[in-house]
Amino acid sequence: EDKVVQSPLSLVVHEGDTVTLNCSYEVTNFRSLLWYKQEKKAPTFLFMLTSSGIEKKSGRLSSILDKKELFSILNITATQTGDSAIYLCARWDQGGKLIFGQGTELSVKP
Amino acid sequence: GAVVSQHPSWVICKSGTSVKIECRSLDFQATTMFWYRQFPKQSLMLMATSNEGSKATYEQGVEKDKFLINHASLTLSTLTVTSAHPEDSSFYICSAMGPHSYEQYFGPGTRLTVT
Repeated sequence: EDKVVQSPLSLVVHEGDTVTLNCSYEVTNFRSLLWYKQEKKAPTFLFMLTSSGIEKKSGRLSSILDKKELFSILNITATQTGDSAIYLCARWDQGGKLIFGQGTELSVKP
Repeated sequence: GAVVSQHPSWVICKSGTSVKIECRSLDFQATTMFWYRQFPKQSLMLMATSNEGSKATYEQGVEKDKFLINHASLTLSTLTVTSAHPEDSSFYICSAMGPHSYEQYFGPGTRLTVT
C-alpha cells in the first residue's frame, strides 16, 4: 500500500514550545522521505531524508529518519507564530511519485 | 532555485464548462511533471504523472477523460478540467521534476471554483 500517516493531525502550542511531528510510511518502492511546509499556497521544501539515523537541521527545524521502524520525525524548537502552517511528509518512491500524508496543522499562539 | 509557475492562480467557471490550467518550469527543462489536487483541510492527492511527449499516467480513481493532461514541451504541461462540476472545485497544484531528478519543485497552485 501507499499509506503515509502523520500524527497528530493538529496541534496548538505557545511560542517558545518545542514540537515533534510524526510520520510513518509503508516501505513499497521507497526512495526518500520528504518534509514540506504549506502555508497559504503550495508546499515549500524542508528536508529530504534518505539514510537512516542521520539528522538534518535547518535553523530551529530538524528531522530524522528511521528506516527500520519506517518513520520520521520533524522537530521544531523555540516555536514562533510564523511556524504556524500545515506540515506535510511525503514518501518519494522509485518512480518519482510523491505520496503525501494527511498533514499536521500546527498553530503557534503568541 | 528552480521556479515553477501556474496560470491562472484562481479561476471561477460555470458548471459544464472546461478550464485549462498551465504549469511551466521557468528556468529548467522538466521531462516529468505531476498534477495534484487538494481539497480543504486535506492533503495533496496525486492525480497523474505527465511525461513530455507521451501520454500521462493517471492514478487510480482519476478519470482521464475528465482531466486531460498535455505535456507538449519540456517546460509546459497543461491540465484541462472538462465539463466541470461543483465537486471539481479544489486547489490544483503541479510540480516539476528538476534536472537532477531528486527534487520536485511545486507551482503556486490554482484555485478552481465551479459554480
